[in-house]
Parts: sequence; C-alpha cells; structure tokens
Amino acid sequence: DAGVTQSPTHLIKTRGQHVTLRCSPISGHKSVSWYQQVLGQGPQFIFQYYEKEERGRGNFPDRFSARQFPNYSSELNVNALLLGDSALYLCASSPITGSTGELFFGEGSRLTVL
Amino acid sequence: GENVEQHPSTLSVQEGDSAVIKCTYSDSASNYFPWYKQELGKRPQLIIDIRSNVGEKKDQRIAVTLNKTAKHFSLHITETQPEDSAVYFCAGPNNAGNMLTFGGGTRLMVKP
Repeated sequence: DAGVTQSPTHLIKTRGQHVTLRCSPISGHKSVSWYQQVLGQGPQFIFQYYEKEERGRGNFPDRFSARQFPNYSSELNVNALLLGDSALYLCASSPITGSTGELFFGEGSRLTVL
Repeated sequence: GENVEQHPSTLSVQEGDSAVIKCTYSDSASNYFPWYKQELGKRPQLIIDIRSNVGEKKDQRIAVTLNKTAKHFSLHITETQPEDSAVYFCAGPNNAGNMLTFGGGTRLMVKP
C-alpha cells in the first residue's frame, strides 16, 4: 500500500506569492494533519482535518488555510509568503481524529521563499 | 498546557553505550506519549509510544518510561548502533486533545 504522498517535493517562491501544497493520505485514513518544520526544530502543528471538517488549528496567521476533499486528500494554502515561511511542510494521516494515535508522515514539501 | 520540552538537544555516545532522552510536559490530562525518529532528509516515523495507564514499555533495544506525577517521560536506547543516529522527537497532546505538540528534538550521534 502507498504511504502518505505529498507534492511538490521542492519548490521556490518569492515573497508575496502564494503556494498550494497537496497531500494524499494512506487509503482508509480520514484524518490529515499539517505541520511546519523549520530546520533544526520540531514539527509545529498547523491544521487537522477529519471527515472534511477542521478539527484543530495551530498558532499560525490567517495567511495559512487548508481544506480536505471528499476523497480525504488535502491542500495547504499559504498566501503573501514571507521569508520566514521557508520550511519543510509535513502532512500526516491517521485513521482517527485527535492526538492519541500514530501519525503517518509524508516525505514533506520543502518550500524556499526568496 | 501545550508545552513539551525535550533534553538534551544533542547527544553523542559511543557505539554500544546507552542513550537517554527526557521530555517534560505541562498538561496533567495528557495520556498519550509517542516518540518519533527522523533520519536526515527523511520523514518522522513512530518508534514507540506509551499511554498513561502503564509506566514502561519496551521494544527490543528501545524503551519508554512515564512518570505521571513528575510529568516526564523518557526514551532509552540500549546497545546503540550507528544506524540509531538520527533526530528523535517526543510529543504529547495539547489540552484540547486535538493535536500533538512536538518537542524540539534531540540529535543523537552514535560514534563507531
């Protein structure tokens, strides 16, 4: 079975642009979470979606938004990019919502903002 | 009630020695404590987890202990091998229970 897949794997943007990152969860998983990992730090929670509804939001500005589609795939959108948005964006899927089960991470999308 | 603090940030051991990484948490209602391993350029992967109804869990060379009174949990790796070199993250639920908060990570280097 395929694991969590993310696209694109790498991308370069300039300040002020927007970006859309995509994630396909493991088949049968209904929960998708997004994390931002700055180099040398732990993943920081951005969003969790379950059954197409937002179930949690981390301490990120409104420039960050996400959605989950009927097939449980998800998109993370970031508007008005700042240099500080440069990071590895990790998507994780889980069969359950909440925080008491294993998260299965994708390889991530590495965003560089110039 | 969402902070998870992890120590040390870097740890260097000789092959065959043991390694211990400790995390503290603030939310007394937390009941699930996983540990993830992230090799260079790879995704984080769960290596072991523990729930609050047990004090210790072992899986071959790795073990996790939980002290709910002191609000800390630790990862123990025995007989370390070079392939154990990676960054290890602890995590815990926030008080709303809707997300995992990760520690800052420990870079473990096992010298052959």
